Amino acid sequence: ETGVTQTPRHLVMGMTNKKSLKCEQHLGHNAMYWYKQSAKKPLELMFVYNFKEQTENNSVPSRFSPECPNSSHLFLHLHTLQPEDSALYLCASSQEIEGPLHFGNGTRLTVT
Amino acid sequence: GQNIDQPTEMTATEGAIVQINCTYQTSGFNGLFWYQQHAGEAPTFLSYNVLDGLEEKGRFSSFLSRSKGYSYLLLKELQMKDSASYLCAVRDSPGGYNKLIFGAGTRLAVHP
Repeated sequence: ETGVTQTPRHLVMGMTNKKSLKCEQHLGHNAMYWYKQSAKKPLELMFVYNFKEQTENNSVPSRFSPECPNSSHLFLHLHTLQPEDSALYLCASSQEIEGPLHFGNGTRLTVT
Repeated sequence: GQNIDQPTEMTATEGAIVQINCTYQTSGFNGLFWYQQHAGEAPTFLSYNVLDGLEEKGRFSSFLSRSKGYSYLLLKELQMKDSASYLCAVRDSPGGYNKLIFGAGTRLAVHP
């Protein structure tokens, strides 16, 4: 139990599908993040939310749409993805905006 | 530009000591983190350095030299369970939010 739970663990979707990734943190943290981890590449920051407000959109294509309804939940809505979007998508949280990150186990996404 | 370099792979023997190096070039510096990531699992926080010197935490130690843009993670008394990827990450936003730049990770294999 990492304190940060992501569902689903695995997702296969076609390029025309719409799906959503869910993240929930049970740590009482105020900041939440989406990261993308591709094989043999560094973790890439996608979005940052602090107290439910988006503070960073790291030039992410509009086919990725985040939603943060409250400090404990974070979603990543996906539509018309490309095969190169196949990766491990990691959610993280931190107590303060500068604290260490606590990661979830990720969603392994495959776009066919 | 932003750049974090660490070796791709390392091998070591159970009971030995291994040092994983990380060099960075970033526009700013506000701390360096080390994370451990086992295959298929979430990255977990190991250590944080913001001032020069050595931080020791049990079998793991981390060193930072800001003038050289250099850090290392030292693992002592290696155990088989230490086989994992080790991620170096730099926070480049002084006083700002948690924008971490990650290296691609060093995959450590510990052999009997």
